[in-house]
Amino acid sequence: GDSVTQMEGPVTLSEEAFLTINCTYTATGYPSLFWYVQYPGEGLQLLLKATKADDKGSNKGFEATYRKETTSFHLEKGSVQVSDSAVYFCALSAGQNFVFGPGTRLSVLP
Amino acid sequence: DAGVTQSPTHLIKTRGQQVTLRCSPKSGHDTVSWYQQALGQGPQFIFQYYEEEERQRGNFPDRFSGHQFPNYSSELNVNALLLGDSALYLCASSLVGPGNTEAFFGQGTRLTVV
Repeated sequence: GDSVTQMEGPVTLSEEAFLTINCTYTATGYPSLFWYVQYPGEGLQLLLKATKADDKGSNKGFEATYRKETTSFHLEKGSVQVSDSAVYFCALSAGQNFVFGPGTRLSVLP
Repeated sequence: DAGVTQSPTHLIKTRGQQVTLRCSPKSGHDTVSWYQQALGQGPQFIFQYYEEEERQRGNFPDRFSGHQFPNYSSELNVNALLLGDSALYLCASSLVGPGNTEAFFGQGTRLTVV
């Protein structure tokens, strides 16, 4: 079945550092790819998405490119802030339900 | 727009009991999906309701059941609770249609089974 693998962390960075969280997927079709963020005690918020190969999703300084050849959707941000501390989930959807990765906890220190 | 709302926010139940969780979808959405998120893990798909019927189901036992009402709101019922059912239960709403890929999640219900 479909699956998502991502680096599990935790990832600890200093403010203004560069962030990369790796995500790879396995899917039989051509899924849409997503990054969701979960702040402490809250539900999931959509961070960005890409619906087809070579699409780049971006939001709030975060970006990720749908790479079909490497089945990857790595999340990047050039300069992280303390407020970016959260758990980040990579996910795919080939229909109406989502398959999530295990999440990566990011801590940004001032 | 209130977005997706779930109730209650927290719940403590005893092993063997039954529980009902509730979800109101985002305005204009017609599909509700339920996910279980165990501590430190990613959400796992339980099932999805559309037009008051269960359309898709993940790998969860029959103890997990649901319902969708004519106003699109939904309930998740879990019978014979086990300690392992302790988790954050998330509701997601979406709109069926070509190109509609996005789902909106509620804040979740934290269920603790003791």
